[in-house]
Amino acid sequence: DGGITQSPKYLFRKEGQNVTLSCEQNLNHDAMYWYRQDPGQGLRLIYYSQIVNDFQKGDIAEGYSVSREKKESFPLTVTSAQKNPTAFYLCASSEGLGYGYTFGSGTRLTVV
Amino acid sequence: DQQVKQNSPSLSVQEGRISILNCDYTNSMFDYFLWYKKYPAEGPTFLISISSIKDKNEDGRFTVFLNKSAKHLSLHIVPSQPGDSAVYFCAARDQAGTALIFGKGTTLSVSS
Repeated sequence: DGGITQSPKYLFRKEGQNVTLSCEQNLNHDAMYWYRQDPGQGLRLIYYSQIVNDFQKGDIAEGYSVSREKKESFPLTVTSAQKNPTAFYLCASSEGLGYGYTFGSGTRLTVV
Repeated sequence: DQQVKQNSPSLSVQEGRISILNCDYTNSMFDYFLWYKKYPAEGPTFLISISSIKDKNEDGRFTVFLNKSAKHLSLHIVPSQPGDSAVYFCAARDQAGTALIFGKGTTLSVSS
């Protein structure tokens, strides 16, 4: 079955540590995205990638980094520079930029 | 500045009645609108969409209406069912082709 997989589902990080969230899709989609969900804030765009080896900052990119070395994979690194990293992170993909998304099931990151 | 606004954080409806969820936008360059449904700790799933050249799109119990002059769209669910209880996100795409922009969401509660 085609889909998009995020791992892990729950992640705990100590303050000052970097952590990487995985996102893999087998839908052959060109575009991939990372969003962050906070209570009452909706979905805010962190980074997006239209094609391999290319990505763009979204509205809240500070403290995050991404790579797109393969079409199937778009990992997100939450660095120690991110001041408030505790949130629910969602990865999505689409055939073209801005077309209907397929979302992963999300990763809940908690800083302890 | 929010380009996609869902001004009602929550809505409560009785089973069998109509649910109306509203969404306003400010960018006249948006050409495509989507509604997503999200359960807690899961990724959003696509519900229904509408192109800016239409004013109505229907899919079963779900109908989306678009009023371009008012920059307003609404999602109607008839009849509402308890399983419809979830957070509903309105999203829009710019003609220039960018990542989707989401509203903050409306939590729908359908009581039996």
